[in-house]
Amino acid sequence: GAGVSQSPRYKVAKRGQDVALRCDPISGHVSLFWYQQALGQGPEFLTYFQNEAQLDKSGLPSDRFFAERPEGSVSTLKIQRTQQEDSAVYLCASSLSSLRGSYTEAFFGQGTRLTVV
Amino acid sequence: DQQVKQNSPSLSVQEGRISILNCDYTNSMFDYFLWYKKYPAEGPTFLISISSIKDKNEDGRFTVFLNKSAKHLSLHIVPSQPGDSAVYFCAASAVWEYGNKLVFGAGTILRVKS
Repeated sequence: GAGVSQSPRYKVAKRGQDVALRCDPISGHVSLFWYQQALGQGPEFLTYFQNEAQLDKSGLPSDRFFAERPEGSVSTLKIQRTQQEDSAVYLCASSLSSLRGSYTEAFFGQGTRLTVV
Repeated sequence: DQQVKQNSPSLSVQEGRISILNCDYTNSMFDYFLWYKKYPAEGPTFLISISSIKDKNEDGRFTVFLNKSAKHLSLHIVPSQPGDSAVYFCAASAVWEYGNKLVFGAGTILRVKS
């Protein structure tokens, strides 16, 4: 596709429910990132994939959060037993490469707004 | 501990005048800095960036200035236009880390009045 696509755009979950958020990166992009943006805050890093390998998951807030990218393309962020504090916009971004020593522009999707009630 | 800070939650500017958005950072390992623009219900879009080896980068109406000794950067928009009204995020990266993950500030809401 032309850009990073995320689905669903909006998700309302009851507390305790499991949710799965999908990200379709730009075709051919090696790097994929997930960010969490709470209301009134900037995006915060959750996890990073280089192809199918999850190289950095230091930002995942708890073991209820799990991300995968099994074939190095589409990624899913799963949140188990959702809590009210999980309410946020979840942003996915992808970039063409991941060479250390140089910056490669990351393109963001529109995000999934998760509301836990 | 906020590593990237945008201390002005909002800024209001008259059309045609200069908009100056400020950002401070604390982590000396950051060596690449970016500004993103975000409209409601959309993802952030890249605006302009600067490497730590430079002190200024210009792109049309947008100029970013970097003061490494002060750990401070600013975005200048001249002249400001109503379409520039959006949330502006400052972000920083350490390019020697895997993946170039971004650390964002909390954002500044810019309103350009016509």
